[in-house]
Amino acid sequence: AQTVTQSQPEMSVQEAETVTLSCTYDTSESDYYLFWYKQPPSRQMILVIRQEAYKQQNATENRFSVNFQKAAKSFSLKISDSQLGDAAMYFCAFNDMRFGAGTRLTVKP
Amino acid sequence: KAGVTQTPRYLIKTRGQQVTLSCSPISGHRSVSWYQQTPGQGLQFLFEYFSETQRNKGNFPGRFSGRQFSNSRSEMNVSTLELGDSALYLCASSPQPGRSYEQYFGPGTRLTVT
Repeated sequence: AQTVTQSQPEMSVQEAETVTLSCTYDTSESDYYLFWYKQPPSRQMILVIRQEAYKQQNATENRFSVNFQKAAKSFSLKISDSQLGDAAMYFCAFNDMRFGAGTRLTVKP
Repeated sequence: KAGVTQTPRYLIKTRGQQVTLSCSPISGHRSVSWYQQTPGQGLQFLFEYFSETQRNKGNFPGRFSGRQFSNSRSEMNVSTLELGDSALYLCASSPQPGRSYEQYFGPGTRLTVT
């Protein structure tokens, strides 16, 4: 069974600085997809970024990028130039079906 | 396009009762998945439907069931409610089933069991 682990229940970052959220997973598959979703307070969950396992290049979406290390089964999310609107719960997901417990990100002005 | 809608948004039920939650996917989306979200547990996958057929099922007891209609709308039912069923139930839709597709989430139904 695939499991997804987010070891940081809460993280805090100063506005304009960079923060990295960790995610590890366990699988015996060689081809799969990994996702980061963002759930702002009282708002709907939205996709932040997606990574295909067979692609070695790390995905990037504006200020969001991932560090995908397939051998280590690690998939961390880096948020650069953090903004107040980045404050949310962040969930890592495997094949869009198995989710981690989430990391609550606070952004300090 | 209208987003994923879920009704009702809030529910309070008593132990032993049953409840039905509804989800309308984005127009054109044919795959619907359901999740249970509780503090500290993250999102737990309940089931996935496509073309009125259940494709995948998570590790939940048989008290949790669902169905999908020909217009892709979906319902989930929880019978004999327990206190531990209190949670936010999220519905998500995608154009097709499959692990590569982004899921579009609804606002959720907050169920409280007393």
